[in-house]
Amino acid sequence: QSVLTQPPSVSGAPGQRVTISCTGSSSNIGANYDVHWYQQLPGTAPKLLIYGNSNRPSGVPDRFSGSKSGTSASLAITGLQAEDEADYYCQSYDSSLSAVVFGGGTKLTVL
Amino acid sequence: EVQLVESGGGLVQPGGSLRLSCAASGFTFSSYWMTWVRQAPGKGLEWVANIKQDGSEKNYVDSVKGRFTISRDNAKNSLYLQMNSLRAEDTAVYYCARDPTGVSQPNYGMDVWGQGTTVTVSS
Repeated sequence: QSVLTQPPSVSGAPGQRVTISCTGSSSNIGANYDVHWYQQLPGTAPKLLIYGNSNRPSGVPDRFSGSKSGTSASLAITGLQAEDEADYYCQSYDSSLSAVVFGGGTKLTVL
Repeated sequence: EVQLVESGGGLVQPGGSLRLSCAASGFTFSSYWMTWVRQAPGKGLEWVANIKQDGSEKNYVDSVKGRFTISRDNAKNSLYLQMNSLRAEDTAVYYCARDPTGVSQPNYGMDVWGQGTTVTVSS
């Protein structure tokens, strides 16, 4: 059971918008620790997609955006493309555990 | 080119030991926190340990405390993970990652990842 909770799967048709939620608690996201998002394409290493809640590293398309409110964060992907099909993970820090924590991951299927 | 290359994985019996290495290139290694993250077969990502730029601070997930030791050699641009008393549940792909800010806030996440090395613990 992950400290950060994500839906196991989401899906959408090409061109549509999808969101992936990441629900934490008062000891992680709610304690104002930054949230990051990673994309893991099949058979590859994770890639940083969003850092510091809403910032995109150089080279990440602006179709990807992040937000945070209270004890939750969200990743939004607009204009879905087949190449977006991947696993997505949120990550933060938990002060009760004194540990970096990941969400359980969400598999995005492009229909 | 900024790059991380892991090595040292393999098949080991329960109770055995293994030392993973991560060779860094293309950036000033000594300026960054470094992290190990693992992924069990078909499972999600799990943070294992991280280490400060000068090695003065190390943090571990509870499940590996007392068994794993993270270290670095800045002169060799290398990160290590010594794994002792290995268990079946340690079976995973182990990734090293660059971590610009470690445990500090604001935090910038893990911005560079290696390709991973596979550790299998089985008799």
